[in-house]
Amino acid sequence: NAGVTQTPKFQVLKTGQSMTLQCAQDMNHEYMSWYRQDPGMGLRLIHYSVGAGITDQGEVPNGYNVSRSTTEDFPLRLLSAAPSQTSVYFCASSYSSGIFSEAFFGQGTRLTVV
Amino acid sequence: AQKITQTQPGMFVQEKEAVTLDCTYDTSDQSYGLFWYKQPSSGEMIFLIYQGSYDEQNATEGRYSLNFQKARKSANLVISASQLGDSAMYFCAMREPNDYKLSFGAGTTVTVRA
Repeated sequence: NAGVTQTPKFQVLKTGQSMTLQCAQDMNHEYMSWYRQDPGMGLRLIHYSVGAGITDQGEVPNGYNVSRSTTEDFPLRLLSAAPSQTSVYFCASSYSSGIFSEAFFGQGTRLTVV
Repeated sequence: AQKITQTQPGMFVQEKEAVTLDCTYDTSDQSYGLFWYKQPSSGEMIFLIYQGSYDEQNATEGRYSLNFQKARKSANLVISASQLGDSAMYFCAMREPNDYKLSFGAGTTVTVRA
């Protein structure tokens, strides 16, 4: 059971570079999301999607783009990396956005922008 | 305003003893879900336990139990018979109706001593 698969696990970028963090899930979940984790701040929502072709902004969307062309995949694009984007990124999926719906997380991507 | 507050940045507990991790939340909704996740040093997010706002019984999952006090808006996690493998960061999170994100607290680091 793969669950939620994120790649890469580690990445170092130079300021101004762009990159795509990949996320795929095999649970046929409609709802997918990206969070960033920073010390002392827990996890904060960047973008989310409620189904293929539908995406929306979360709490901290600036500097990031997403798309959802299939149910399985939800990539996160950093357009022009900045040191403030140094963080740990998690992709998550859930069956729904209902209050009972547990989120399944990927392994995380540790990104450093220098 | 912070929706989830975890006031204990770090805690030490002796092996085989119980430990209580505090979590208070802020919501005006009557219906909501509360979650606890564990993040070991390897970085992944592991779902531990769920409590619905209308659940009459406190949730339990093995050595994990939730001390849910709705009037106080608190959902403390109790880990009984601590093991060395329980050393990790623990996050409390809440999902409200019609809100697409999980709101996370800042986390509590638990260190279990032999």
